[in-house]
Amino acid sequence: KQEVTQIPAALSVPEGENLVLNCSFTDSAIYNLQWFRQDPGKGLTSLLLIQSSQREQTSGRLNASLDKSSGRSTLYIAASQPGDSATYLCAVPKRGANNLFFGTGTRLTVIP
Amino acid sequence: DVKVTQSSRYLVKRTGEKVFLECVQDMDHENMFWYRQDPGLGLRLIYFSYDVKMKEKGDIPEGYSVSREKKERFSLILESASTNQTSMYLCASNRGARVYEQYFGPGTRLTVT
Repeated sequence: KQEVTQIPAALSVPEGENLVLNCSFTDSAIYNLQWFRQDPGKGLTSLLLIQSSQREQTSGRLNASLDKSSGRSTLYIAASQPGDSATYLCAVPKRGANNLFFGTGTRLTVIP
Repeated sequence: DVKVTQSSRYLVKRTGEKVFLECVQDMDHENMFWYRQDPGLGLRLIYFSYDVKMKEKGDIPEGYSVSREKKERFSLILESASTNQTSMYLCASNRGARVYEQYFGPGTRLTVT
């Protein structure tokens, strides 16, 4: 069964710092990997989707990488801002289905 | 932009009541999903639907049913609400093939007292 893990569970950084969030998965036969952001009490906002054939995707200050062979993805946030404070989740599709397996999430706090 | 909307942001119901949660998407997506999110347990799939009137059980379907009479609308039904169904409920949708991005609604925080 697929397991998705995110480390660390929580992270506090000063404003302006570059940071990396990690996601690991046990079954490397994935079609894609998706990164989400969730603000407290709110739904999930899709940030980036990386297809299995891609190694990187970029959107503004965000860059996500995917290494299927090692079962890892990273989300890089450049020049962090207080507005980046949220929980970040990674997710991969369930084998043979369309729903997602979610990671445990990393709660990010950017201190002004 | 894809939009997924849910009928209520917050809902308070009594034990034993029948509860309807509705989700609507405006992008003609084939697939729709209902997840629940609980602290320490993350997001878990309750049901999903890949076409009108078609549904499949997810990981935790007990105590729930669903209805999809129109392509854009997917309803989650709690036949007899119980306190252990207090949770955040999230609806999502995407296009048919599994390589497509999933889009989520704003969530419904349900409290059963």
